[in-house]
Amino acid sequence: AQKVTQAQTEISVVEKEDVTLDCVYETRDTTYYLFWYKQPPSGELVFLIRRNSFDEQNEISGRYSWNFQKSTSSFNFTITASQVVDSAVYFCALSEDSGSARQLTFGSGTQLTVLP
Amino acid sequence: DAGVIQSPRHEVTEMGQEVTLRCKPISGHNSLFWYRQTMMRGLELLIYFNNNVPIDDSGMPEDRFSAKMPNASFSTLKIQPSEPRDSAVYFCASTTEAGLNSYNEQFFGPGTRLTVL
Repeated sequence: AQKVTQAQTEISVVEKEDVTLDCVYETRDTTYYLFWYKQPPSGELVFLIRRNSFDEQNEISGRYSWNFQKSTSSFNFTITASQVVDSAVYFCALSEDSGSARQLTFGSGTQLTVLP
Repeated sequence: DAGVIQSPRHEVTEMGQEVTLRCKPISGHNSLFWYRQTMMRGLELLIYFNNNVPIDDSGMPEDRFSAKMPNASFSTLKIQPSEPRDSAVYFCASTTEAGLNSYNEQFFGPGTRLTVL
């Protein structure tokens, strides 16, 4: 069974600080996919990134970066120089490559508040 | 490009009434998912369709819940009769089914906020 744990329920930072959101996952599959989604106060879910289990390269996109480490089953997300507009709930999610079962299992989310 | 469209955006109803939520996936996507989001349970998958066929409905909480996808551009989630504990935000998502060792991200609609009094 797949499981995603986001231990940080809420994080509060001051604008321009860096912040890292943690994600730890469990899966028995050797092939799987990891995702981060953002849910701003308006409520929609916005896709941020996908990472395949066989690609451990870290990725940077502007102020966002992701650190995938299979050895620790972690897929952490860092926002550099945070801004007030980054305030949102961030979800980490996992999908296993098991036949046609392509559902996402979400973590419980981390509420990030960036204060001006 | 139009994203996933859901209607209504907000629904307030009384216990015992029938509720129908609607979803139009992104054109060309052949997989559709219904999720429910609550404070207590977070985001949970209710049902998943591939090429209009229900593949996994193990997340549907009870027989009061049913979902259909009569064609590639429309799906409904029905609750009959509704109960206060069904109050939640219901999301529809769609994607293009990929082959083995590949996965395409799901794109979510804006959600329907359901309140059952």
